Amino acid sequence: GAGVSQSPRYKVTKRGQDVTLRCDPISSHATLYWYQQALGQGPEFLTYFNYEAQPDKSGLPSDRFSAERPEGSISTLTIQRTEQRDSAMYRCASSPVRGSNTGELFFGEGSRLTVL
Amino acid sequence: AQSVTQLGSHVSVSEGALVLLRCNYSSSVPPYLFWYVQYPNQGLQLLLKYTSAATLVKGINGFEAEFKKSETSFHLTKPSAHMSDAAEYFCAVRANEKLTFGTGTRLTIIP
Repeated sequence: GAGVSQSPRYKVTKRGQDVTLRCDPISSHATLYWYQQALGQGPEFLTYFNYEAQPDKSGLPSDRFSAERPEGSISTLTIQRTEQRDSAMYRCASSPVRGSNTGELFFGEGSRLTVL
Repeated sequence: AQSVTQLGSHVSVSEGALVLLRCNYSSSVPPYLFWYVQYPNQGLQLLLKYTSAATLVKGINGFEAEFKKSETSFHLTKPSAHMSDAAEYFCAVRANEKLTFGTGTRLTIIP
């Protein structure tokens, strides 16, 4: 696609429910990232993919969080048994360059999750 | 580990005045530094990046930043603020394929 697309844009759920967020990166981008941004804070790294491989998931806060990118394109972030502290903006980004620290990340508009 | 610190969570300047947003980095290796801007209800957009080619980096919308190794700084400046510059600005450092962000500075422009 022309840009990084995330859905849903807004999600309100009750504590204890599972939530899945979706990210459709820019076509042919090798690398895909997930970030969590709490209100008034900068984005915090969660995990990233190089195609379907997931080399680093060190930022996932707990085992309730998981991410997939099975075909190296679209990715999902799933939060099981949601808690109020999971309320945040979840941002997806993609980058065309694999293995580089100079490449730009292209961000989607984010999915805002509210856990009641 | 690489990190960035942004001084001042809120900055207000008058329209037409100089904009200065501060960022200091901590890195054990030559850093790759970025400034991103976030407008309301939008994703983060790259303003400029430093990749060691030149210490003075020019970006979009008239912004520029200067890499100063002696001060471990990468401050963002714009000579004359415009109302459309009101947004949140994030400094970031990239290493090991991931971007680490500062806590952000919200810029308000006073008419």
